[in-house]
Formats: sequence, structure tokens, C-alpha cells
Amino acid sequence: NAGVTQTPKFQVLKTGQSMTLQCAQDMNHEYMSWYRQDPGMGLRLIHYSVGAGITDQGEVPNGYNVSRSTTEDFPLRLLSAAPSQTSVYFCASSPVVGSEEKLFFGSGTQLSVL
Amino acid sequence: AQSVTQLGSHVSVSEGALVLLRCNYSSSVPPYLFWYVQYPNQGLQLLLKYTTGATLVKGINGFEAEFKKSETSFHLTKPSAHMSDAAEYFCAVSLQTGANNLFFGTGTRLTVIP
Repeated sequence: NAGVTQTPKFQVLKTGQSMTLQCAQDMNHEYMSWYRQDPGMGLRLIHYSVGAGITDQGEVPNGYNVSRSTTEDFPLRLLSAAPSQTSVYFCASSPVVGSEEKLFFGSGTQLSVL
Repeated sequence: AQSVTQLGSHVSVSEGALVLLRCNYSSSVPPYLFWYVQYPNQGLQLLLKYTTGATLVKGINGFEAEFKKSETSFHLTKPSAHMSDAAEYFCAVSLQTGANNLFFGTGTRLTVIP
């Protein structure tokens, strides 16, 4: 089982560039989410989705867009990268059965914006 | 609103000593509580979770945590630290809302001294 796959693992962008972080899961999970991890701040929720065609904002959504056209994929788009978006990004998924199901995390994408 | 406070961003213990990582939460409704572990350059893995029922929860790798409602705490313990326990540990809370959104603490980095 591949689980949750994130690509790329590392990325360097210039301010103002756009890019898409890819996330795919092969577990048929309905719920997917994106977090960013910054030193001293833990993980903060950016966007989440409870099924194909359904997305919603998390704690820190500004500067990011998402879409969920299939159950498997949940890409995160940076439309105009800023240095404040330098972070490690984690995608996670789980079956939607209330809140007791655990999240499966990808291995992360380390993004630097110069 | 809900939040998680982890006391101590760095904790050092000797190999074989007790591990105690502190977590306090605030929540307007009964929470679900989690501990996750993150090894270097990896995603997060679930250690244990409390949803309902028994307040003492046992997880993987010999860790356990006790939910104390009166103290709004969910401290993580392990009787005897092992070198392989060196990692970053995150406490998280979610609400029983049907979505799997987790709110994470800022993390505690555990160092195990030989």
C-alpha cells in the first residue's frame, strides 16, 4: 500500500511564482486535508475536504486554493508564492467516521520561497 | 474554541528514565484527544487516542496517556525511555463534529541521553 503520497518532496520558488503541491491516497478515504508545519507553531490546518467536490477552509487558508475532483487526489495550489509560505506541508487522509478515525499523513513537502 | 498547550518545547531524559510529556487542552465540548509522533523527515504517526470510555489509554511503543477532565489534561508517559523514542511529539484535539479536523499543539522534542 502506498498510503498518502506527496510530491515533490522539496521545492524552491521565487516570490510571485505559482505551483501545485500534489497529494494522492489509495485507501479510498473520503476525508483529506492539508497542514503546514512551522517551527514553534505545530501543525495548522489550511484546507480540508470531506469528499469529492467538497472543500472547506481551515485555520490558515489565505494564499492557498484546493480542489477535490476525485476521491484520490487533493492538490494544494499556491497562486503567488510569498516568503511567509516557506514551510513544510503535510497532506493527511482518513475515512469519514466521526472524529475517532486516525489520520494518515504523507511524508511532507518542504517548500522554500525566496 | 479549542486549543492545545504543550508545556516544554524540549524535554531531555536519560535512557531508562520516565518520560512525561505534558498536554493541556481547552474545548467547549467534550473533545477527542490524540498524541502523534514525528521522526526526522517523516510524517506524523498516531501513538494513541482518547475518544470515550476508559480514561487511561495505551498506545504503541509502550506509551500511555490519561484523560483527566478536571485538570483538562492528557499527559503522555512511558515508564522507561529508549533511544528510539527520540522524536517530536504532538498533542492534538478534535471536536465531535463529524469532520476529522485536528488542532495541534506546538510540539515537544524529546531527547534521550545514553
